[in-house]
Amino acid sequence: QKEVEQNSGPLSVPEGAIASLNCTYSDRGSQSFFWYRQYSGKSPELIMFIYSNGDKEDGRFTAQLNKASQYVSLLIRDSQPSDSATYLCAVIVGSQGNLIFGKGTKLSVKP
Amino acid sequence: GAGVSQSPRYKVAKRGQDVALRCDPISGHVSLFWYQQALGQGPEFLTYFQNEAQLDKSGLPSDRFFAERPEGSVSTLKIQRTQQEDSAVYLCASSSTGANQPQHFGDGTRLSIL
Repeated sequence: QKEVEQNSGPLSVPEGAIASLNCTYSDRGSQSFFWYRQYSGKSPELIMFIYSNGDKEDGRFTAQLNKASQYVSLLIRDSQPSDSATYLCAVIVGSQGNLIFGKGTKLSVKP
Repeated sequence: GAGVSQSPRYKVAKRGQDVALRCDPISGHVSLFWYQQALGQGPEFLTYFQNEAQLDKSGLPSDRFFAERPEGSVSTLKIQRTQQEDSAVYLCASSSTGANQPQHFGDGTRLSIL
Protein backbone atom coordinates (compact mmCIF):
# COMPACT_ATOMS: atom_id res chain seq x y z
CA GLN A 1 0.00 0.00 0.00
CA LYS A 2 1.57 3.25 -1.13
CA GLU A 3 1.00 5.93 1.50
CA VAL A 4 1.68 9.60 2.00
CA GLU A 5 1.40 10.85 5.56
CA GLN A 6 0.88 14.38 6.78
CA ASN A 7 0.01 15.88 10.13
CA SER A 8 -3.56 17.06 9.71
CA GLY A 9 -3.03 20.07 11.97
CA PRO A 10 -4.27 22.64 12.35
CA LEU A 11 -0.88 24.30 12.35
CA SER A 12 -1.14 27.84 13.66
CA VAL A 13 1.62 30.40 13.16
CA PRO A 14 1.72 34.17 13.66
CA GLU A 15 1.96 36.48 10.68
CA GLY A 16 5.56 36.92 9.56
CA ALA A 17 6.75 33.61 11.02
CA ILE A 18 8.06 30.56 9.16
CA ALA A 19 5.52 27.78 8.64
CA SER A 20 7.00 24.29 8.34
CA LEU A 21 4.90 21.54 6.76
CA ASN A 22 6.07 17.94 6.71
CA CYS A 23 5.28 14.84 4.71
CA THR A 24 6.56 11.27 4.67
CA TYR A 25 5.99 8.64 2.02
CA SER A 26 6.23 4.88 2.09
CA ASP A 27 7.37 3.87 -1.39
CA ARG A 28 11.10 4.20 -2.06
CA GLY A 29 10.31 4.13 -5.77
CA SER A 30 8.66 7.55 -5.52
CA GLN A 31 10.11 9.86 -8.14
CA SER A 32 8.45 13.23 -8.04
CA PHE A 33 7.08 15.31 -5.21
CA PHE A 34 4.55 18.09 -5.23
CA TRP A 35 2.97 20.57 -2.87
CA TYR A 36 -0.50 21.86 -3.58
CA ARG A 37 -2.41 24.56 -1.74
CA GLN A 38 -6.16 24.17 -1.41
CA TYR A 39 -8.42 26.89 -0.13
CA SER A 40 -11.76 25.82 1.32
CA GLY A 41 -14.17 24.93 -1.47
CA LYS A 42 -11.53 25.39 -4.15
CA SER A 43 -9.40 23.01 -6.20
CA PRO A 44 -5.75 22.18 -5.47
CA GLU A 45 -3.28 24.76 -6.78
CA LEU A 46 0.29 23.70 -7.55
CA ILE A 47 2.83 25.73 -5.61
CA MET A 48 6.05 23.67 -5.67
CA PHE A 49 7.53 20.53 -7.15
CA ILE A 50 10.86 18.87 -6.49
CA TYR A 51 12.58 15.88 -8.07
CA SER A 52 16.07 15.78 -6.53
CA ASN A 53 17.44 15.64 -3.01
CA GLY A 54 18.07 19.00 -1.43
CA ASP A 55 16.31 22.34 -1.37
CA LYS A 56 14.37 24.19 -4.02
CA GLU A 57 13.36 27.79 -3.44
CA ASP A 58 10.67 29.85 -5.16
CA GLY A 59 9.91 33.19 -3.59
CA ARG A 60 8.73 32.66 -0.02
CA PHE A 61 8.45 28.90 -0.53
CA THR A 62 11.19 26.30 -0.09
CA ALA A 63 10.68 22.60 -0.74
CA GLN A 64 13.11 20.16 0.85
CA LEU A 65 13.53 16.52 -0.20
CA ASN A 66 15.40 13.74 1.57
CA LYS A 67 14.90 10.48 -0.30
CA ALA A 68 16.97 8.45 2.17
CA SER A 69 14.59 9.43 4.96
CA GLN A 70 11.55 9.41 2.63
CA TYR A 71 10.71 12.88 3.77
CA VAL A 72 9.63 16.03 1.99
CA SER A 73 8.84 19.38 3.57
CA LEU A 74 7.58 22.83 2.65
CA LEU A 75 8.73 26.00 4.35
CA ILE A 76 6.79 29.21 3.99
CA ARG A 77 8.73 32.29 5.04
CA ASP A 78 7.10 35.54 6.14
CA SER A 79 3.74 33.79 6.44
CA GLN A 80 0.70 35.88 5.53
CA PRO A 81 -2.96 35.42 6.50
CA SER A 82 -3.61 34.71 2.81
CA ASP A 83 -1.43 31.59 3.18
CA SER A 84 -4.11 30.08 5.44
CA ALA A 85 -5.24 26.97 3.57
CA THR A 86 -4.82 23.22 3.47
CA TYR A 87 -1.49 22.09 2.04
CA LEU A 88 -1.48 18.78 0.22
CA CYS A 89 1.66 16.73 -0.29
CA ALA A 90 1.56 14.48 -3.35
CA VAL A 91 3.91 11.88 -4.77
CA ILE A 92 4.20 10.12 -8.12
CA VAL A 93 5.07 6.44 -7.99
CA GLY A 94 5.55 4.40 -11.12
CA SER A 95 5.43 5.23 -14.79
CA GLN A 96 1.85 6.34 -15.24
CA GLY A 97 2.13 9.58 -13.35
CA ASN A 98 -0.91 9.48 -11.11
CA LEU A 99 -0.54 11.38 -7.86
CA ILE A 100 -0.90 9.86 -4.42
CA PHE A 101 -1.96 12.52 -1.95
CA GLY A 102 -1.70 12.90 1.77
CA LYS A 103 -4.77 14.07 3.68
CA GLY A 104 -3.38 17.59 3.92
CA THR A 105 -2.24 19.90 6.70
CA LYS A 106 -4.45 22.83 7.57
CA LEU A 107 -2.40 25.99 8.11
CA SER A 108 -3.75 29.03 9.92
CA VAL A 109 -1.74 32.26 9.88
CA LYS A 110 -2.90 34.64 12.59
CA PRO A 111 -2.61 38.42 11.99
CA GLY B 1 -8.64 28.10 -22.53
CA ALA B 2 -5.89 28.97 -20.13
CA GLY B 3 -6.74 26.36 -17.52
CA VAL B 4 -8.56 23.10 -16.99
CA SER B 5 -12.30 23.60 -17.30
CA GLN B 6 -14.87 21.35 -15.65
CA SER B 7 -18.63 21.33 -15.90
CA PRO B 8 -21.01 21.41 -14.24
CA ARG B 9 -19.59 22.99 -11.09
CA TYR B 10 -22.37 21.51 -9.03
CA LYS B 11 -24.58 18.52 -9.72
CA VAL B 12 -27.43 17.20 -7.61
CA ALA B 13 -28.95 13.88 -8.58
CA LYS B 14 -31.30 11.38 -7.05
CA ARG B 15 -29.99 7.98 -6.11
CA GLY B 16 -30.15 5.68 -9.11
CA GLN B 17 -29.77 8.38 -11.75
CA ASP B 18 -26.89 8.50 -14.20
CA VAL B 19 -24.59 11.54 -14.30
CA ALA B 20 -21.93 12.78 -16.70
CA LEU B 21 -19.10 15.10 -15.73
CA ARG B 22 -17.04 16.93 -18.31
CA CYS B 23 -13.40 17.98 -18.34
CA ASP B 24 -11.69 20.20 -20.90
CA PRO B 25 -7.92 20.05 -20.27
CA ILE B 26 -5.28 22.67 -20.96
CA SER B 27 -4.73 22.90 -24.70
CA GLY B 28 -1.98 20.56 -25.84
CA HIS B 29 -1.82 18.57 -22.64
CA VAL B 30 -1.44 14.90 -23.43
CA SER B 31 -2.17 13.44 -20.01
CA LEU B 32 -5.51 13.69 -18.26
CA PHE B 33 -6.37 12.40 -14.80
CA TRP B 34 -9.58 12.08 -12.80
CA TYR B 35 -9.56 12.18 -9.00
CA GLN B 36 -12.26 11.91 -6.35
CA GLN B 37 -12.03 14.01 -3.20
CA ALA B 38 -14.14 13.31 -0.15
CA LEU B 39 -14.60 15.98 2.51
CA GLY B 40 -11.49 16.39 4.64
CA GLN B 41 -9.42 14.00 2.53
CA GLY B 42 -6.83 14.34 -0.16
CA PRO B 43 -7.82 13.56 -3.74
CA GLU B 44 -7.78 9.90 -4.73
CA PHE B 45 -6.84 8.70 -8.20
CA LEU B 46 -9.57 7.28 -10.41
CA THR B 47 -8.25 6.97 -13.95
CA TYR B 48 -5.61 8.21 -16.40
CA PHE B 49 -5.58 8.94 -20.14
CA GLN B 50 -2.69 9.53 -22.45
CA ASN B 51 -4.27 11.12 -25.49
CA GLU B 52 -7.33 8.97 -26.21
CA ALA B 53 -5.95 5.84 -24.57
CA GLN B 54 -7.11 4.98 -21.07
CA LEU B 55 -3.92 3.55 -19.62
CA ASP B 56 -4.99 3.09 -16.03
CA LYS B 57 -8.45 2.72 -14.55
CA SER B 58 -7.42 0.94 -11.39
CA GLY B 59 -8.87 3.63 -9.14
CA LEU B 60 -12.43 3.45 -10.43
CA PRO B 61 -14.44 2.25 -7.42
CA SER B 62 -16.90 0.07 -9.31
CA ASP B 63 -18.11 -0.86 -12.78
CA ARG B 64 -20.70 1.91 -12.44
CA PHE B 65 -17.89 4.37 -13.19
CA PHE B 66 -16.82 4.85 -16.76
CA ALA B 67 -14.53 7.43 -18.38
CA GLU B 68 -13.70 8.26 -21.96
CA ARG B 69 -11.62 10.68 -23.99
CA PRO B 70 -12.49 9.75 -27.56
CA GLU B 71 -10.56 12.45 -29.43
CA GLY B 72 -7.74 12.93 -26.97
CA SER B 73 -8.95 16.24 -25.63
CA VAL B 74 -12.25 16.54 -23.73
CA SER B 75 -12.99 13.76 -21.25
CA THR B 76 -16.23 12.62 -19.68
CA LEU B 77 -16.61 10.72 -16.43
CA LYS B 78 -19.92 8.89 -16.25
CA ILE B 79 -21.44 7.37 -13.16
CA GLN B 80 -24.36 5.03 -13.63
CA ARG B 81 -27.00 4.19 -11.02
CA THR B 82 -25.55 6.69 -8.57
CA GLN B 83 -25.33 5.85 -4.88
CA GLN B 84 -25.04 8.17 -1.87
CA GLU B 85 -21.41 7.18 -1.38
CA ASP B 86 -20.65 8.67 -4.80
CA SER B 87 -21.15 12.15 -3.30
CA ALA B 88 -17.79 13.90 -3.53
CA VAL B 89 -15.86 16.46 -5.52
CA TYR B 90 -14.60 15.09 -8.80
CA LEU B 91 -11.40 16.73 -9.96
CA CYS B 92 -9.82 16.63 -13.37
CA ALA B 93 -6.14 17.40 -13.91
CA SER B 94 -3.96 17.60 -16.98
CA SER B 95 -0.25 17.66 -17.66
CA SER B 96 2.05 17.93 -20.63
CA THR B 97 4.02 14.97 -21.94
CA GLY B 98 6.02 12.96 -19.43
CA ALA B 99 4.87 10.99 -16.42
CA ASN B 100 6.53 13.27 -13.89
CA GLN B 101 5.19 16.58 -15.11
CA PRO B 102 3.19 18.77 -12.72
CA GLN B 103 -0.56 18.36 -12.93
CA HIS B 104 -2.91 21.32 -13.05
CA PHE B 105 -6.39 20.93 -11.65
CA GLY B 106 -9.76 22.22 -12.73
CA ASP B 107 -12.26 23.69 -10.26
CA GLY B 108 -13.97 20.35 -9.86
CA THR B 109 -17.56 19.16 -9.92
CA ARG B 110 -19.28 18.85 -6.56
CA LEU B 111 -21.66 15.90 -6.86
CA SER B 112 -24.41 15.39 -4.30
CA ILE B 113 -26.56 12.29 -4.42
CA LEU B 114 -29.86 12.54 -2.56
